[in-house]
Amino acid sequence: EPEVTQTPSHQVTQMGQEVILRCVPISNHLYFYWYRQILGQKVEFLVSFYNNEISEKSEIFDDQFSVERPDGSNFTLKIRSTKLEDSAMYFCASKGTSGPGEQYFGPGTRLTVT
Amino acid sequence: AQSVTQPDIHITVSEGASLELRCNYSYGATPYLFWYVQSPGQGLQLLLKYFSGDTLVQGIKGFEAEFKRSQSSFNLRKPSVHWSDAAEYFCAVGLENRDDKIIFGKGTRLHILP
Repeated sequence: EPEVTQTPSHQVTQMGQEVILRCVPISNHLYFYWYRQILGQKVEFLVSFYNNEISEKSEIFDDQFSVERPDGSNFTLKIRSTKLEDSAMYFCASKGTSGPGEQYFGPGTRLTVT
Repeated sequence: AQSVTQPDIHITVSEGASLELRCNYSYGATPYLFWYVQSPGQGLQLLLKYFSGDTLVQGIKGFEAEFKRSQSSFNLRKPSVHWSDAAEYFCAVGLENRDDKIIFGKGTRLHILP
């Protein structure tokens, strides 16, 4: 069964450093998402991406964040200058069709900022 | 604003007992409702979804959920739990005519007693 994959599974970085979280969505999907879950809190929407552009972003997704689909398979989330409060689990998701379809989630990348 | 409430942070049941996890949502229009499960170290797996039609929906692993518009609820049930059901369960709502974000509740962690 096709699945969303994410690398790395755990990333430790120092405050102020740039990180790139990588995701490989399901191959024929067209809609891509990033969510994050701070420890002990709920899963929060960050950004959605379709047709090579951001379709919606939350207030969390400020200028420090960017997303890119550099080739036909990868979908990346970049945090330009990490802060302690960026420590969280980051989930990538993808969806095949428009409308209320299922979003398929990856296993997540745990980001620890020290 | 749209929101999802899961009033129980932790629930403990004995193996073989029945289970009901509560979920209430706040949304002015027709919601699309989901239950996801997250096992330790795993991503979010969809258990079931409600878009329209029959208000009692069947999902994977023997789970079902009932949409009650009058109560703004979408409670998850299982008649007999197994030790492998121990996990975190998230109720979520997708927005009508929007294929962007899903809004999650804070989750309920299910513990199973042998």
